[in-house]
Amino acid sequence: ETGVTQTPRHLVMGMTNKKSLKCEQHLGHNAMYWYKQSAKKPLELMFVYNFKEQTENNSVPSRFSPECPNSSHLFLHLHTLQPEDSALYLCASSQVSGLTSGGATGELFFGEGSRLTVL
Amino acid sequence: DQQVKQNSPSLSVQEGRISILNCDYTNSMFDYFLWYKKYPAEGPTFLISISSIKDKNEDGRFTVFLNKSAKHLSLHIVPSQPGDSAVYFCAAIALNSGNTPLVFGKGTRLSVIA
Repeated sequence: ETGVTQTPRHLVMGMTNKKSLKCEQHLGHNAMYWYKQSAKKPLELMFVYNFKEQTENNSVPSRFSPECPNSSHLFLHLHTLQPEDSALYLCASSQVSGLTSGGATGELFFGEGSRLTVL
Repeated sequence: DQQVKQNSPSLSVQEGRISILNCDYTNSMFDYFLWYKKYPAEGPTFLISISSIKDKNEDGRFTVFLNKSAKHLSLHIVPSQPGDSAVYFCAAIALNSGNTPLVFGKGTRLSVIA
């Protein structure tokens, strides 16, 4: 497999469920990201992991819990979500040059997304 | 406060004509700008970029123009093709300001009509 792969592609869950989204990148990058895309809103950065260390958490509610066991894998654990959390969750990766996020070009490589519906 | 703004949520263009997608930004520290294209049920893919030291970058049918004084950039697609129909996201980054991630606009949905 190549690029950035996300599973599952679609997920429906109740508010009391616990589920996880998985992301895997095969590009040899050292930074991974979770973005949320809601209708009529910009892509919202949720979490950033550089060199497996979390460097950014944009005031994301604690019902979203990221995990980055290594530079190739990223999880988003979901617990007691709300219907307004229904969105497309996108994983991305990039090569960090040490000083800048996204490397010299700022380019992110995205997965296809996981469409989450919370009932 | 949105740092990257795409004020047109949608745009329709006839096949063969020029598509012009606009993007404005507010943060003067941004020094690199990118356009991403997104089809339904897929993640965004990188399309073209421009550094703040340039005012134009061209790649085939796609050209990005940057007006730093106006804090404005635009993506031109000519000639437009039906396969160009997608959502286009403008993004910006302050590469020389440390470990900052990309900031995205809301996107513009382009429909190219055959």
